[in-house]
Amino acid sequence: DAGVIQSPRHEVTEMGQEVTLRCKPISGHDYLFWYRQTMMRGLELLIYFNNNVPIDDSGMPEDRFSAKMPNASFSTLKIQPSEPRDSAVYFCASSLGSSGNTIYFGEGSWLTVV
Amino acid sequence: AQSVTQLGSHVSVSEGALVLLRCNYSSSVPPYLFWYVQYPNQGLQLLLKYTTGATLVKGINGFEAEFKKSETSFHLTKPSAHMSDAAEYFCAVTRMDSSYKLIFGSGTRLLVRP
Repeated sequence: DAGVIQSPRHEVTEMGQEVTLRCKPISGHDYLFWYRQTMMRGLELLIYFNNNVPIDDSGMPEDRFSAKMPNASFSTLKIQPSEPRDSAVYFCASSLGSSGNTIYFGEGSWLTVV
Repeated sequence: AQSVTQLGSHVSVSEGALVLLRCNYSSSVPPYLFWYVQYPNQGLQLLLKYTTGATLVKGINGFEAEFKKSETSFHLTKPSAHMSDAAEYFCAVTRMDSSYKLIFGSGTRLLVRP
């Protein structure tokens, strides 16, 4: 089975531009997570969805960030406008069922804002 | 609130030596505990997890961890390090209830010397 698929793998953009990161979770999984990884702050949970509905977005850093999940097989994380401090690796992950189940991570989208 | 503390941001061992990566957690309710590994430029991969039952958990690649409630610890061990074990290791905790927030420690980078 295909794992969690993220695109783009790498993106370099200029400050002020809009960035859209995309994620396809594992088929059949009902939870989807967006994490951000930086040297300073480590791995942070930004938002997660259950059955396409946002459950907890308390980790979203500010209004410039938004996430959507229009259907069970697709999610986006958007940053508008982007800033250099948004440079990080953004991971999408998915899982099936309850909180003890394994969360499967994509390979990440490496974002650099210059 | 839950938290995870990983002692030592870097651990260096010789090939063939014992690997011990330390993790202590804080949780007001029974936890689920995880160890993930991240190889360079890749996503996170589950090594092992503790949910319920046996407190000694065996994972992939010869790793194991023991849940010790009295010590609030979940240390990761491997009897004999291999060069391919060089990676970053993350301990994580989540709640044994409906909440699905997986909280990560700051990570420990394992270096294996030939």
